Amino acid sequence: GENVEQHPSTLSVQEGDSAVIKCTYSDSASNYFPWYKQELGKRPQLIIDIRSNVGEKKDQRIAVTLNKTAKHFSLHITETQPEDSAVYFCAADRAQKLVFGQGTRLTINP
Amino acid sequence: DGGITQSPKYLFRKEGQNVTLSCEQNLNHDAMYWYRQDPGQGLRLIYYSQIVNDFQKGDIAEGYSVSREKKESFPLTVTSAQKNPTAFYLCASSIDVWGMDLGTEAFFGQGTRLTVV
Repeated sequence: GENVEQHPSTLSVQEGDSAVIKCTYSDSASNYFPWYKQELGKRPQLIIDIRSNVGEKKDQRIAVTLNKTAKHFSLHITETQPEDSAVYFCAADRAQKLVFGQGTRLTINP
Repeated sequence: DGGITQSPKYLFRKEGQNVTLSCEQNLNHDAMYWYRQDPGQGLRLIYYSQIVNDFQKGDIAEGYSVSREKKESFPLTVTSAQKNPTAFYLCASSIDVWGMDLGTEAFFGQGTRLTVV
C-alpha cells in the first residue's frame, strides 16, 4: 500500500525567506498530490494540489513540484509571512482515498 | 463555515464507555472519511465510505465502528475496545470520482477532540 514520508517535521525560517517541505511516496499508481495547511485548532484546508501529468504548479507565493520518476513532491513557499505559520500536510491518493504524511510544523520568525 | 459539520467539538469519555461522534455534510458528496490525528503522526484513516450503506476499513479501524445510512451522515463510534482513544478526530468528504482515476479535494470538518477521563 501507499506510504507517504514527509520532511522535515519542524521548520523555522525568518520572515521573508523561503520554506521548502518535501514528501516521498511509494505507490507508482498515485496520481493526485494535495497539500493541506492546518492552523492551530482549525481544520486542514487545501492550499494547492498537483496531478501526475504536471511537473509544477504555482499559485502566488506557493508552488508545488512533482518528480514522478523519483516519487517525490515538494511544497515551496516564498516571501514567507507570519500567517504562513501552521502545520502542513502532504498527501497522495491510494485506492480511492488519501494517505497523509506526518506533517511539518512551520514557524515564521519575525 | 458550512459544508461539513462535526459535533461535539469536545467530548469526554469514561473508561469502558462507547461514544459516538457526529459528522454531517450538505455538499452532496458521495465519499466520506474519518481520520485520527495524533501529534507527530499526521492523519491516519480509520474508516471511509464511498456510497450509502457501504463502508471500508482504513489503516486503524480496530476499536471503531461506523454506519452510512444517509448520504449526508457518517457517524463514528469509538468503542471500549479502542485502547487509546484520546485524540483529535477529523471527518472529511469529497466528490467521488475515483472511478475516473481522478483524485479530488477532501473537505474537512472542524474536528472533535476526545479525551478519556
